[in-house]
Amino acid sequence: DSGVTQTPKHLITATGQRVTLRCSPRSGDLSVYWYQQSLDQGLQFLIQYYNGEERAKGNILERFSAQQFPDLHSELNLSSLELGDSALYFCASSPTGIFGNTIYFGEGSWLTVV
Amino acid sequence: QQQVKQSPQSLIVQKGGIPIINCAYENTAFDYFPWYQQFPGKGPALLIAIRPDVSEKKEGRFTISFNKSAKQFSLHIMDSQPGDSATYFCAARGAHSGGGADGLTFGKGTHLIIQP
Repeated sequence: DSGVTQTPKHLITATGQRVTLRCSPRSGDLSVYWYQQSLDQGLQFLIQYYNGEERAKGNILERFSAQQFPDLHSELNLSSLELGDSALYFCASSPTGIFGNTIYFGEGSWLTVV
Repeated sequence: QQQVKQSPQSLIVQKGGIPIINCAYENTAFDYFPWYQQFPGKGPALLIAIRPDVSEKKEGRFTISFNKSAKQFSLHIMDSQPGDSATYFCAARGAHSGGGADGLTFGKGTHLIIQP
């Protein structure tokens, strides 16, 4: 158990809908990362938050947004969903923004768009 | 632009054999190279990591070999067991790695099967 908690574990929704994925980082970790995993693209970095502030953006679509709250939990909002958004979404956390620290992954949220 | 290239995509090895997974990178600013292991239904978990000032690191049956001049690194699994069957990801971290300010850029993964 990595200590990173993600909910829901599975989600099925229709095209055009909006969903919110939730992540609780490991106790004390300030950085939260969101990754998307699909069969053909592997693990794609979406966005990083550090202590409530957006720190870096990767391949995140404009239809997607995220935030990190004062208690450090984070939410990833996916809107106007398309079939191609079906994937496993991982949240990860690390203690600080200094490189060299291990990133710990949650078990992911499976999103199926039908 | 794929900053970390991983091969092979899949690998089948007999029990006791030594699977080798290779990764190549281009960005010389990378300074930390971890390998992650992912079992079905689970998130990736850190397996072993190396810094570029070291050419080899061993932890149990897992060894990373690092060639800084060639910008390549590889994972070797000694005396492989069926329980090692998983997907393995190499990764790299450094400024402007595309993985966040201090995040990781991952290879596309290798699906490893160890046959009994």
